[in-house]
Order: sequence, then structure tokens, then C-alpha cells
Amino acid sequence: DTGVSQDPRHKITKRGQNVTFRCDPISEHNRLYWYRQTLGQGPEFLTYFQNEAQLEKSRLLSDRFSAERPKGSFSTLEIQRTEQGDSAMYLCASSPPEAGPYEQYFGPGTRLTVT
Amino acid sequence: AQKVTQAQTEISVVEKEDVTLDCVYETRDTTYYLFWYKQPPSGELVFLIRRNSFDEQNEISGRYSWNFQKSTSSFNFTITASQVVDSAVYFCALSGGAGGTSYGKLTFGQGTILTVHP
Repeated sequence: DTGVSQDPRHKITKRGQNVTFRCDPISEHNRLYWYRQTLGQGPEFLTYFQNEAQLEKSRLLSDRFSAERPKGSFSTLEIQRTEQGDSAMYLCASSPPEAGPYEQYFGPGTRLTVT
Repeated sequence: AQKVTQAQTEISVVEKEDVTLDCVYETRDTTYYLFWYKQPPSGELVFLIRRNSFDEQNEISGRYSWNFQKSTSSFNFTITASQVVDSAVYFCALSGGAGGTSYGKLTFGQGTILTVHP
């Protein structure tokens, strides 16, 4: 049973560029979550999906951020016009139907550095 | 709004010592869940334990145990006979129950860096 995978693991981009991250959840997991973690802090919730529906978005998710889960499987998180403050680890998690959101399994994260 | 506070920024112990990590939470939800996660140097968050708000029975699982006290809004985590491999950042987290305002999302504390020396 493979875990949550994220791609790329590291991304360095220049300010103003757009970036897109991908998350593949554990097979059969219907819920998928995105979190952001800055250095020395705990992860902060960004958004989550149940199947293909985006059910909640944090106010941290500015207009420059968009997340999709078009077929209820993998998800993408896009950041447009990146800023230095976007530098962080972006974590994806998924949870199985029987556990609701109370059993979230995290991927290895994508570390974004904006120069 | 929910809040999780881990007052201990760093803890350093010698192998085989017991260590307790403190966690205090705030929530307006009547039903909620509490968690502990471990983040080793590799960076991947690993789920350790979960407790719901209507079950204050404390348990032991191997070398891990936890003490949930609703009256003081605390959810402390103890590692018995610590090992070098326990060195990691430990996060306490909180999620609202179904119907609550924070259902579906985890609110994390700032983490406690645990270093276990040989």
C-alpha cells in the first residue's frame, strides 16, 4: 500500500512566476487536504476536498492560490505570481471514507523556495 | 476559533528517560478530536495517537501514553524509556467534530523539538 505522494519534492522559482504542485492520495481515500508549513511552525490548513468537491478554504488561501481535484483522485495546488512569503513546505494529506477527517495521512511535502 | 499551544519549544533528554510533552487547547466545539503527530528529520508527518472529547480514558500504547484532561483542556503525551530514534518534532493537533466549525481541518500547535541523546 503506497502512501501519499507529492511532486515535485522541491521547487525553486523566481518571484512572480507561477508554480503547480501535485498530490496523489492513498488509493480509495475520498478526502484530500492541503496544508502549509513555514519554518519552525506547525502546519496550517489551506483547503480540503471530499471527492471532487472543495468543501472549505482557509482565508490563508488568497486569490493567487487555486486548488483542484477534477476527478476525485489526484489534486493540484497552483500559486500564481509567487511572492517570497509563499516560501514554505506544502503538505498534502488524505483520509479514508470510514474515518472521516480523523485519520489524516500526510505526504512528504513540496518545499517551495521563492527567490 | 481553535488554538493549540505547546509551551515547550525544545526538550533534551538522555536515552531511557521518560519525557512528557505538554499540549493545551482552546475550542468552542462541543465535540472534538485531539491528535499527536511526529515529524522526523525526513519531514513527513506521522500520525501517532487520536482521542475524542467524550472519552477521557487515558491509555498506553507501547512506549506511548497520553493524559487527556478536559477540565484543564490539556492533552499531554508521554514517551517512556526514550530512544534516539524518538528524536523529532512533535505536534499536538485539534479537529472539530461533525457539525462543528472546524470539522475536517487540523489545527496544529507550534511543535516541540525532542532530542534524545545516547
